[in-house]
Amino acid sequence: GQQVMQIPQYQHVQEGEDFTTYCNSSTTLSNIQWYKQRPGGHPVFLIQLVKSGEVKKQKRLTFQFGEAKKNSSLHITATQTTDVGTYFCAGRKSSGDKLTFGTGTRLAVRP
Amino acid sequence: NAGVTQTPKFQVLKTGQSMTLQCAQDMNHEYMSWYRQDPGMGLRLIHYSVGAGITDQGEVPNGYNVSRSTTEDFPLRLLSAAPSQTSVYFCASKRRQGAASYEQYFGPGTRLTVT
Repeated sequence: GQQVMQIPQYQHVQEGEDFTTYCNSSTTLSNIQWYKQRPGGHPVFLIQLVKSGEVKKQKRLTFQFGEAKKNSSLHITATQTTDVGTYFCAGRKSSGDKLTFGTGTRLAVRP
Repeated sequence: NAGVTQTPKFQVLKTGQSMTLQCAQDMNHEYMSWYRQDPGMGLRLIHYSVGAGITDQGEVPNGYNVSRSTTEDFPLRLLSAAPSQTSVYFCASKRRQGAASYEQYFGPGTRLTVT
């Protein structure tokens, strides 16, 4: 079946440092979504990427979808303590409604 | 709108007991799903439904049943609880696919412990 892996599993950064998480799918994706889950909370939608090579920005967050539509990344510039949480990618194949979630990357930020 | 609601928030079961986790949404979403979240495993899909009367299995369906008699409700039943089912359970809903994909809205989760 479809598998979506994320690396790293965990990252601890100093406030102000940059952070990147990578998402890799075993199959080609129709689109990819990113979610953030604060500690003790539930996942919340951040963004969706659809086109090959697409890049989208939300303030300090930059999302990329690979040319082959099998990988994606989320980069946070100058992390803040409010960025703490677990970031998940979720991919959808061309057919069907199912989203397959990645394993997640937990981000901790030292103030 | 209340969004996606789940009850209970916390539950402790003994091995072999059965129970139903409730999930409801008021956004008229066709697609609903159940996930379990375990440390280091991400969110794994248990069952999903694309509309009333239609359900299908996800990655980890064993030990769970679902039904979808209305658009709003999607309960998850544990038939005979096992310690391996200790987890946090999330219900989610979204509009169906068309040419586009839509974001999933998650409920607050149910933390289940099986002793």
